[in-house]
Amino acid sequence: SQTIHQWPATLVQPVGSPLSLECTVEGTSNPNLYWYRQAAGRGLQLLFYSVGIGQISSEVPQNLSASRPQDRQFILSSKKLLLSDSGFYLCAWSLGQVNTEAFFGQGTRLTVV
Amino acid sequence: GENVEQHPSTLSVQEGDSAVIKCTYSDSASNYFPWYKQELGKGPQLIIDIRSNVGEKKDQRIAVTLNKTAKHFSLHITETQPEDSAVYFCAASGTTLTFGKGTMLLVSP
Repeated sequence: SQTIHQWPATLVQPVGSPLSLECTVEGTSNPNLYWYRQAAGRGLQLLFYSVGIGQISSEVPQNLSASRPQDRQFILSSKKLLLSDSGFYLCAWSLGQVNTEAFFGQGTRLTVV
Repeated sequence: GENVEQHPSTLSVQEGDSAVIKCTYSDSASNYFPWYKQELGKGPQLIIDIRSNVGEKKDQRIAVTLNKTAKHFSLHITETQPEDSAVYFCAASGTTLTFGKGTMLLVSP
């Protein structure tokens, strides 16, 4: 069966520090991968998605970047964190990009201080 | 792009009552509509979904209805239980999934 791993679960970082969040998927090949952010107010905002290695689409211009160095690995990064980067970050995967269910990781709670 | 509106933002019911959450979407090309349940501090979990070739789908106490003409779909939970308390999200699939802002459901014993 397929599983998705996301870490760390909780992270407190100072303003201006770098960020690296990692997500891996097991049990499937060539998944579509997604990074979402959930800020106060509960909405899920799509940040990046990837349909293959090295292919990244950005939905919202911001202080973050994403990379997909391997088929089942998706990384969210920042060179210098801002206070506004605080939030709950969720990785998700799906098979196919359109009209298919997405499966979420357990999330990373990022607090920038 | 797709825009999904979800109402209400908060819903309080007594145990055993029914709960209904409604969503509207803007892109007539969307044809996949999942619902997710998110418990505190966890990632969203898919609970039911519906595709545009179906008007209604039911799974035990949970049902979803879809009206493509009006571009709205709803989640119905019957015989609510305290463990149904969570945030529920609707979504519509265009190129990617677009989510509503969520409904916090509180079920009181």
